[in-house]
Amino acid sequence: GDSVTQMEGPVTLSEEAFLTINCTYTATGYPSLFWYVQYPGEGLQLLLKATKADDKGSNKGFEATYRKETTSFHLEKGSVQVSDSAVYFCALNAGGGNKLTFGTGTQLKVEL
Amino acid sequence: GAVVSQHPSRVICKSGTSVKIECRSLDFQATTMFWYRQFPKQSLMLMATSNEGSKATYEQGVEKDKFLINHASLTLSTLTVTSAHPEDSSFYICSAIQGRGKETQYFGPGTRLLVL
Repeated sequence: GDSVTQMEGPVTLSEEAFLTINCTYTATGYPSLFWYVQYPGEGLQLLLKATKADDKGSNKGFEATYRKETTSFHLEKGSVQVSDSAVYFCALNAGGGNKLTFGTGTQLKVEL
Repeated sequence: GAVVSQHPSRVICKSGTSVKIECRSLDFQATTMFWYRQFPKQSLMLMATSNEGSKATYEQGVEKDKFLINHASLTLSTLTVTSAHPEDSSFYICSAIQGRGKETQYFGPGTRLLVL
């Protein structure tokens, strides 16, 4: 079946550090890939997405590239801020009813 | 726009009682809503998909008589945990899709259920 694996957290970084959160997936066909972010006390929000191989999703300084050959969708940001502290979820939609399969989430803590 | 709310945000109940959780799309019509369950340090697990005016489709392993889902209008879906037991304690999250053919899900803030 479909699955998403992402790095365990928490990830603790200093402000302005470079961020990478790894995400790999297993799916039949050609899924759409997503990163969702959950700030403390709030619901999940769509951060970015990519729908086909080599697409790059970007938003708020975050980027992720759909790599079919490595079945990966790693999240990156060049310079994190304290306000980026949240839990980040990688997810895929392999088609058919918009059903999302999520990774376990990675907590990011950014310190001054 | 595209805000989804849940009520209550937190509920504590005694074993054997039933609990209803509401999920509302505040500024759009949600043709499809989803209910997820999240255990600590684990993924969101899809429980069921509900389309307005029709029966919910449950994922394998989810007891439909235990988790009753009603999607009576385009802005409201409810999840009722019947005869709750301590193992039902979890974080329940709903999401909604704005219109048919759309892919992006908008999530509610979740409901923490604790069954004593």
